[in-house]
Order: sequence, then structure tokens, then C-alpha cells
Amino acid sequence: DIQMTQSPSSLSASVGDRVTITCRASQSISSYLNWYQQKPGKAPKLLIYAASSLQSGVPSRFSGSGSGTDFTLTISSLQPEDFATYYCQQSHSVPIAFGQGTRLEIK
Amino acid sequence: QLQLQESGPGLVKPSETLSLTCTVSGGSISRSNYYWGWIRQPPGKGLDWIGIIFHSGSTYYNPSLKSRVTTSVDTSKNQFSLRLSSVTAADTAVYFCARLECSSSSCWYFYGMDVWGQGTTVTVSS
Repeated sequence: DIQMTQSPSSLSASVGDRVTITCRASQSISSYLNWYQQKPGKAPKLLIYAASSLQSGVPSRFSGSGSGTDFTLTISSLQPEDFATYYCQQSHSVPIAFGQGTRLEIK
Repeated sequence: QLQLQESGPGLVKPSETLSLTCTVSGGSISRSNYYWGWIRQPPGKGLDWIGIIFHSGSTYYNPSLKSRVTTSVDTSKNQFSLRLSSVTAADTAVYFCARLECSSSSCWYFYGMDVWGQGTTVTVSS
């Protein structure tokens, strides 16, 4: 089974900051990597699919990159509504697996 | 606009079977490029993938739960369901249903889970 490891597990940042979250797969998953945002009490929201494709309706300050085993999610200029928990997910093979999450907090 | 809604008991006794249904509205569950899935989130923890089902009945499950999980689909009602047997307190979680897009018509690989239900809390307690 493929394991997903995110770093950091938590992050403090300020409005306007550029933030990067990384995700590493235990084996190559090509570009089958997705990113989600989850706010307390809500369902996750798909931000990026296939490593770098922006889901419809998601602001362009979100971007994704990477292939193989190493991936990044970048938020170019943090907005107040971006403070949430972010998860990566591999969809290359079953069992589909999520990373453990990165909690993004206000500094 | 496609919407998913979970339903089922919020309280289940230990050793019994948890049963949930996800109702799909605004679109057909029989669309060929999508699987339908279950994900759970224990209190204060991360997301745990349970399994997925195709409208034909093809399924994939998390190996850690495979011996206790059954999923089914009812295309006439546009619903799919989850059954988790022999539950313990460790199965207490928010359970979500979601749609998973195939990357091609063969469904060998997948894109993301683009539509989610709001989630339903299930507590296992006597």
C-alpha cells in the first residue's frame, strides 16, 4: 500500500504570506495526487487534482506541482479564509490514501 | 448541481452493524466515469478512506476494514450504502460520502473526490 507523508504537520503564517506544504508518497504515483482543504465541522473541499489542475471555482492563489513521489501545494498570498487543514491524497492505486494533514494557523 | 446526503443512525451499540446510506441528487449515480465512496474522520483526527463502489457493483475497500465492510448501490433509488459490522468505539467518527472521478473510461486511475456530503456523526456506545 502507498503511504502519504505531509510536512509540516502544522504551520503558522500571516495574511499575505506565501505558504508551501509538501507531500511525499512512499512510491511513485505519477501525477495522481490531489489536495483538499477542510474547515472545522465541514466536509473536505477539492482544491487541486492530478497534481497541478485547479478545481473549478478555486482561487488562482492555490497551485500544485510535482510528480512521482514529491508534491507541493502553494498558496501565493494567504487570505483570512485560507486558515484551515490541508490534506493530500493519492489516487493512483487502491487503497486510496490521505496524508495526515497540515493545520494552517494564523500567526 | 450534484448533491450527496448521508443518512442513518447516529448511535450504534458495540458489536452491532453500522448502516449508512448516501442519496445522490441532481445527477445519476450510473454515470460511467465515477465511483462513489465512503470516508470517515474520527474526532480530532485525519481522513480515513473506507472504500468505493461503481454503479455496476465493483468495489474496492481499505484492507484494514475489508473484513467488516460491505457497500452496495441501488441505481433505482440513486443511492449507495455502507455497512460496517462488529463496531467498536474506534469506529466512532464523522462518515462522509463522496464522488470519485475516473481519469479515463477504464477507471484504472482516479482524479479527486469532487463532491462530498456534509457528513454524519456516528457514535459507538452502549
